[in-house]
Amino acid sequence: AAGVIQSPRHLIKEKRETATLKCYPIPRHDTVYWYQQGPGQDPQFLISFYEKMQSDKGSIPDRFSAQQFSDYHSELNMSSLELGDSALYFCASSSLSNTEAFFGQGTRLTVV
Amino acid sequence: DQQVKQNSPSLSVQEGRISILNCDYTNSMFDYFLWYKKYPAEGPTFLISISSIKDKNEDGRFTVFLNKSAKHLSLHIVPSQPGDSAVYFCAALFSSGSARQLTFGSGTQLTVLP
Repeated sequence: AAGVIQSPRHLIKEKRETATLKCYPIPRHDTVYWYQQGPGQDPQFLISFYEKMQSDKGSIPDRFSAQQFSDYHSELNMSSLELGDSALYFCASSSLSNTEAFFGQGTRLTVV
Repeated sequence: DQQVKQNSPSLSVQEGRISILNCDYTNSMFDYFLWYKKYPAEGPTFLISISSIKDKNEDGRFTVFLNKSAKHLSLHIVPSQPGDSAVYFCAALFSSGSARQLTFGSGTQLTVLP
């Protein structure tokens, strides 16, 4: 069965650079969540989208932005990267009729 | 202020015995509660969920109990197996119209000893 696909799996960027993380939800899922998990921390909710509209916002820095496209994939854009942005970034998808959210394998971002 | 709390960072259990993982929450508006299992450097894997209108849901070795009055839920794994060793996250879902937020607890590292 198709799962949530995240790309890239690993990304290394320098401080002040920009990064774009992509998430492809499970087919027919209309909701996408983004989470950031720092070392030794629990996943922190960043932002969610439902039907291509921003649904809810968590602790997402102003330097980050995200959107969900017409094919339901989502991108998380991160600018002016800081060392503290190094983390695992997870995307999850669900459908309105099904409450379970399924996660991708994550993108490990390392800012050097 | 953490809305979903897992107060035990770690738990060790003997193989074949019961593992009980606990979770407390503060927001009475949560609609669903979910448990995820996570291995290092992998995405969380969904285990089991429960609606806020129910008090028990069972799936194989996994049972989740919900006590709404106490704002407490627990995951029981019986019998525990060494392959169950992982970090377990409790999560709570709030949905209102198109707004959806899934909030995680801090996780409990379960170690099942052979």
